[in-house]
Order: sequence, then C-alpha cells, then structure tokens
Amino acid sequence: ETGVTQSPTHLIKTRGQQVTLRCSSQSGHNTVSWYQQALGQGPQFIFQYYREEENGRGNFPPRFSGLQFPNYSSELNVNALELDDSALYLCASSAGTSGITDTQYFGPGTRLTVL
Amino acid sequence: DAKTTQPNSMESNEEEPVHLPCNHSTISGTDYIHWYRQLPSQGPEYVIHGLTSNVNNRMASLAIAEDRKSSTLILHRATLRDAAVYYCILMGNNDMRFGAGTRLTVKP
Repeated sequence: ETGVTQSPTHLIKTRGQQVTLRCSSQSGHNTVSWYQQALGQGPQFIFQYYREEENGRGNFPPRFSGLQFPNYSSELNVNALELDDSALYLCASSAGTSGITDTQYFGPGTRLTVL
Repeated sequence: DAKTTQPNSMESNEEEPVHLPCNHSTISGTDYIHWYRQLPSQGPEYVIHGLTSNVNNRMASLAIAEDRKSSTLILHRATLRDAAVYYCILMGNNDMRFGAGTRLTVKP
C-alpha cells in the first residue's frame, strides 16, 4: 500500500499567477482534505472532498478551489496568487466520511513560494 | 479559531516519560480529541484519539479528564525520534482545526 504523495515538492510563482498542486491519495480512500501551513504555524484547513464533491470548507476565499478524481487523485488550484499564499500545502486522505474518527494520512507537502 | 490550548514548547530527557497537556474547555459532547505530530520536514502523522475513556496504542496513551475539558498525551519512554510538534485537535465536523501545537525537544 503506497502512502500519500504530492507534487511538485517545491514551486515558485509570482503574484497574480495561478497554480495547481496535485495529490495522490492512498488507494481506497474516498476523502481528501487540503491544508495550508505557514511557517511556524499549525496547518489550516482549506477544504475537504468526498467522492468528488466538496464536503466542508475552512475560511479561505473562492480563489482556492479543488477537484477530486475517481482514481484517488486530487488537485488544489489557487488563482491570483498573493504573497501571503506562500506556505506548505498539505493533503491528507482518509477512508470514510465520518471525519470525527477517521485517521488522516498526510503527504509530505508542496512548498509554494510566491514572489 | 483553534479550540485547544497547548504549551508552546516542552523538553524531555531520552528514555523518560513525557506528559503533553491540552486544554479544550469549550469541547462539545460530540467532539473527539485527536493528537497528531509533525516531525521536521514531514506532514503530520496520527498518534491517537479518544472520546471519553483513556486510550492506549503502540505509540502513546491518551488520558482524558472526567469533564473532558483537558487531556494529556503520554509518551512512556521518549526517544530522540519523538522530537516533533504535537498537535491536540478537536474534531466534531468534517475538518481538523490545528492550533500551534507543542514543540517537544528530547535531550540525549
């Protein structure tokens, strides 16, 4: 069983650009969540997808959007990048929908730098 | 927005037990208490979770206060590999709200 993988590892963009980050969940995991982790802080929940539908969202603007695909892969898209979007972006997959008891398996993250 | 309060940092000696506290005075009846840890340059990893009763697994023990307003993660014998940031999280909806966590330093 492979773990959660993310690509790319690092990425540099400039203000105003758009970025797509990718995540491959563990096989059989129907739920994927995305988090933003600024330097020195805990991860902040962006949104969660279950079976290709958004299933919960944190306090992030609409320019943060996502997609989940049937093959257990997912994307995080960020439009109109701002300097404050510089962070480590983490995805996590879990097997079910209960949320409150599901163990989440995190990927290593993508480090995004916005110049 | 974090609903938990943890000390910023703690230190332990190798091979000694470590008790990591967490206060969650606004916990609701359906919130589960989860602990994750994040080693340097890695994503968070699951440690343990519970609702009301104390829990044990191969990694740690979780002691939950009777009123559920606080909990303690117990590492029975700290090793250098346990040096990480430990997060106490309440989960009652489809999201995990991390606080800043406790940075644990383990001294040889």
